[in-house]
Amino acid sequence: DTEVTQTPKHLVMGMTNKKSLKCEQHMGHRAMYWYKQKAKKPPELMFVYSYEKLSINESVPSRFSPECPNSSLLNLHLHALQPEDSALYLCASSPGKTSEQYFGPGTRLTVT
Amino acid sequence: AQSVTQLGSHVSVSEGALVLLRCNYSSSVPPYLFWYVQYPNQGLQLLLKYTTGATLVKGINGFEAEFKKSETSFHLTKPSAHMSDAAEYFCAVSDPSGGYQKVTFGTGTKLQVIP
Repeated sequence: DTEVTQTPKHLVMGMTNKKSLKCEQHMGHRAMYWYKQKAKKPPELMFVYSYEKLSINESVPSRFSPECPNSSLLNLHLHALQPEDSALYLCASSPGKTSEQYFGPGTRLTVT
Repeated sequence: AQSVTQLGSHVSVSEGALVLLRCNYSSSVPPYLFWYVQYPNQGLQLLLKYTTGATLVKGINGFEAEFKKSETSFHLTKPSAHMSDAAEYFCAVSDPSGGYQKVTFGTGTKLQVIP
């Protein structure tokens, strides 16, 4: 299995809702990432997990809460989002510190 | 801190023509460099990477890039464009001296292929 999967593909949520994004990989990679990508922009790093521990938080608002329950799974919990949080959320994994990243197809999030 | 500059947010080529997408980087240490491609409403896919060794790197779909330290460049080329090459291309740099794989992406170049 050489892919990163993300669910759901699309999500529409209100500003008072709580939802979660899920990312899964079975390549044995020990680093996992969350990115946010706005239209016509490059991905912006949000969080990095290394060996299931949060190693990087790029000053992301607390309404985004990451979780890494095990080495294959990465979640992003969403609460009280704003319309400007609407974007494509990408998950990626990497086999090591200095290796390329493998991206999932993303979750298209719309906050109404 | 590292950075990446992609010259040209839009590039148009005719089908069968040479593709040249430009990328210049800035890094305080020898960098690791990547090119990724993104098709509409999809994630990014690695085209090729440079870490160490041979400076001419071959990737998937007929693409290649050459690391030129003296010019701090890592331009992406393909001899003959195909309609399926139309996509957004991102150059990226990572700092191998960091404790984690933090990648800085360029602003992207949208490639249009004209039939």
